[in-house]
This record gives sequence, structure tokens and C-alpha cells, in this order.
Amino acid sequence: DTGVSQDPRHKITKRGQNVTFRCDPISEHNRLYWYRQTLGQGPEFLTYFQNEAQLEKSRLLSDRFSAERPKGSFSTLEIQRTEQGDSAMYLCASSLARGNQETQYFGPGTRLLVL
Amino acid sequence: AQKVTQAQTEISVVEKEDVTLDCVYETRDTTYYLFWYKQPPSGELVFLIRRNSFDEQNEISGRYSWNFQKSTSSFNFTITASQVVDSAVYFCALKTDTGFQKLVFGTGTRLLVSP
Repeated sequence: DTGVSQDPRHKITKRGQNVTFRCDPISEHNRLYWYRQTLGQGPEFLTYFQNEAQLEKSRLLSDRFSAERPKGSFSTLEIQRTEQGDSAMYLCASSLARGNQETQYFGPGTRLLVL
Repeated sequence: AQKVTQAQTEISVVEKEDVTLDCVYETRDTTYYLFWYKQPPSGELVFLIRRNSFDEQNEISGRYSWNFQKSTSSFNFTITASQVVDSAVYFCALKTDTGFQKLVFGTGTRLLVSP
């Protein structure tokens, strides 16, 4: 049983460029989450999907950020017009939700550096 | 509002010492879930344990044990006979029924185990 995978693992970009990250959840997991983690901090919630529906977005998710989960499988997180403050680790997690009793399993993350 | 406090920023021990990582949480919800995750240098968050608010039994798993005390809103984590491989950042996290599905993380405790 493979875990959550994320691609790429590292991304260096110049300010103003667009970047897209991909997350492949554990097979048959119906929920998928995106978190952002900056140095010395715990992960902060960005958004989550139940199947293909995006059910919640954090205030951290500015209008430059967009996430999709077509067909309820993999998900993409796009950041447009990147800023230096976007430099962080972007973590994806998935879970098999049974009511509110669920455990989120995390991928290895994508480390973004905006120059 | 939900909040998790991990007051210990960094702990250094020598191999075979026992070490306890503290976690204090805040929530007004009566039903909630507490988690511990391990983040080794590779960056991936590894799930360790989930505890439901209605289950105050302490748990032991090998060298790991968890002490959940609702009276003090604490969910502490003890590693017995620590090993170098235990070196990592450990995060405590909280999920509530009214907090949608997101995990609220503490700032983490970095554990350094030296030989």
C-alpha cells in the first residue's frame, strides 16, 4: 500500500512566476488536505476536499492560490505570481473519513523557494 | 478557537534517557481528537497516535507512551530509552467537530538524541 506522494519534492522559482504542485493520495482515501509549513512552525491548514468538492478554504489561501481535485483522485495546488513570502513546505495529506473519526496521512511535501 | 501549545522548543538527551514532550490544548468543544506526528529531517510527517476526547485511557506502544489528562488539557508523549533514530521534530495536533476537518498544530518540539 503506497503512501501519499507529492511532486515535485523541491521547486525553485523566481518571484512572479506561477508554480503547480501535485498530490496523489492513498488509494481510496476520500479526503485530501493541503497545509503550508514555514520554518520553525507547525503546518497550517490551507484547504481540503471531500472527493472532488472543495469544502473549506483557509484565509491563508489568497486569490493567487487555487486548488483542484478533478474526479476526486489527485489534486493540484497552483500559486500564481509567486512572492517571496510563499516560500514554504507545502504538505498534502489524505484520509478515509468515517464521520469525524479520521487520521490524516501526510506526503513528503514540496519545498518551494521563491527568489 | 482551538489552540495547541508545545512550550518546549528543543530538548537534548543522551541515548537511553527517558524524555517527555509536553502538549497543552485549548478547545471549547466537548468532542475532539488529539494527535502526535513525528517529522524527521526528511520532512514527511509520520502519524504516531490519535486519541479521542471520550477515551482517557493512556496508551503504550513499545517505547512510546501517551498520557491524556482532560483535567489539565494535556496530552503528553514519553519516549522510554531514547535512541538516536528518535531525533526529529514532534508535533501535537488537535481536531474538533466544530473546527471543520483541519488539524491545528503546535509549533513542535525538536528532540535531539545523542549517542
